[in-house]
Amino acid sequence: NAGVTQTPKFRVLKTGQSMTLLCAQDMNHEYMYWYRQDPGMGLRLIHYSVGEGTTAKGEVPDGYNVSRLKKQNFLLGLESAAPSQTSVYFCASSYESGAGSNTEAFFGQGTRLTVV
Amino acid sequence: GESVGLHLPTLSVQEGDNSIINCAYSNSASDYFIWYKQESGKGPQFIIDIRSNMDKRQGQRVTVLLNKTVKHLSLQIAATQPGDSAVYFCAESQGGATNKLIFGTGTLLAVQP
Repeated sequence: NAGVTQTPKFRVLKTGQSMTLLCAQDMNHEYMYWYRQDPGMGLRLIHYSVGEGTTAKGEVPDGYNVSRLKKQNFLLGLESAAPSQTSVYFCASSYESGAGSNTEAFFGQGTRLTVV
Repeated sequence: GESVGLHLPTLSVQEGDNSIINCAYSNSASDYFIWYKQESGKGPQFIIDIRSNMDKRQGQRVTVLLNKTVKHLSLQIAATQPGDSAVYFCAESQGGATNKLIFGTGTLLAVQP
C-alpha cells in the first residue's frame, strides 16, 4: 500500500545544474500535481496533469517542466536550478477533480531540495 | 531539518482539551473547503472537507464549521492527543477543483502532555 512515492527525498544542487524529481502513484489516479512549500507560505501549484500524456501550468510554473508519459508517473524537471527554487516539493494525486466525491488528494512525503 | 512550522501561528493545548483552529478564506466564490494535517517531515494528509451548502460537518473527533458570512472556517478537535501535534491548514476552491485549491499558511498545534 505505497500510495504516492517521491524520489529522491533530499537533494543538494549547485546553481545551474539540472535534475528530475520522480513521483509514482499506485492508486490508478487520473490527476497528478506538483506543489512547492516554502516557509510562511501555503502550498503553491507548479504544474498538474489530468491524465496520461497531458500537462498544464499551475500558479508558479516558471523554471520547471513536467511530463506524464505513464499514468502512474509524473516527473518534475529543473533545467537550470536557481537558489529561488530551494523548497520542499510535494507530489499529489487524486481520482477526480471537481464536484465529485473522489476528489481527495493524496500527497507524497516530499523532496527537500536545496540549491546553492 | 527545517520545519514548515517555523514562523507559523501556534496553538498550545493540554492533552485531553478541545482544540479550535481557525482559518479565514479569501474568495467569497469558494464553495469547497478542506482541512489538512501535516506532521513534521511528512506530506499533508486530508482530514475533512465541507461544501458551501453546509455549515457544519463532523468526522471522527473532528468538526468543521463554515461561516460564509464572514468567510471563516474552523476545525475543532475533541480530546486532543499528542498524536494530533502537527501543522493544520485549510484550503479553498471553486467547484471542488483540486488544481485550483488555494492553501492557507497553517497553524502549528502543540499538544502538551
